[in-house]
Amino acid sequence: EVQLLESGGGLVQPGGSLRLSCAASGFTFSNFWMHWVRQVPGKSPIFFARINGDGSSTNYGDSVKGRFTISRDNAKNALYLDLNSLRVEDTAVYYCVRETSGSYFLDYWGQGALVTVSS
Amino acid sequence: QSALTQPRSVSGSPGQSVTIYCTGTSSDVGAYKYVSWYQQYPGQAPKLVIYDVTKRPSGVPDRFSGSKSGNTASLTISGLQADDEADYYCLSYGGKWLFGGGTTLTVL
Repeated sequence: EVQLLESGGGLVQPGGSLRLSCAASGFTFSNFWMHWVRQVPGKSPIFFARINGDGSSTNYGDSVKGRFTISRDNAKNALYLDLNSLRVEDTAVYYCVRETSGSYFLDYWGQGALVTVSS
Repeated sequence: QSALTQPRSVSGSPGQSVTIYCTGTSSDVGAYKYVSWYQQYPGQAPKLVIYDVTKRPSGVPDRFSGSKSGNTASLTISGLQADDEADYYCLSYGGKWLFGGGTTLTVL
């Protein structure tokens, strides 16, 4: 059974940093592109970041302005998102999501990690 | 690039059918077969219900169906049930990943 379990969310002050982690299990992690999808409560999800199977290629959404970095450690079956210089408007749920192989859709989602940026 | 356009809300009575539309452009929805739909209950993660415009993942009832015409994709839910009440989002890949603005389905 595919499982994606995020951790690392919480309350952080503006200007602070946070690292989100996602523990993957139930599939060959290194064979899949992985995403972070951001959803502000009450709003639609947006594509945030994507990384290929071996970590050599990344894509970021238009709203990502260089403050965030996606990475992975295939030996640990782990996906990461480093959030820096956080702003109040970065408050959102961040989902770890698997991109299917052979097409372009998102087939498995984690439960999400809530990041709250507030003083 | 702007989000795909969906109606904010739709509603229907139990047993009826409803259709949710997702409008994009000839560069995204209209260009490729990569349209998918997601169901989201409050406080939960989105769940895939349709992929590649028309295909259903295993476990999704055949009451859920998808189609596309030109730059507009559609999700139809027939035989509405109370637990269909949720938010629905479309997603298109055409070089960029674009979500729709979301539609709240209310079962009357």
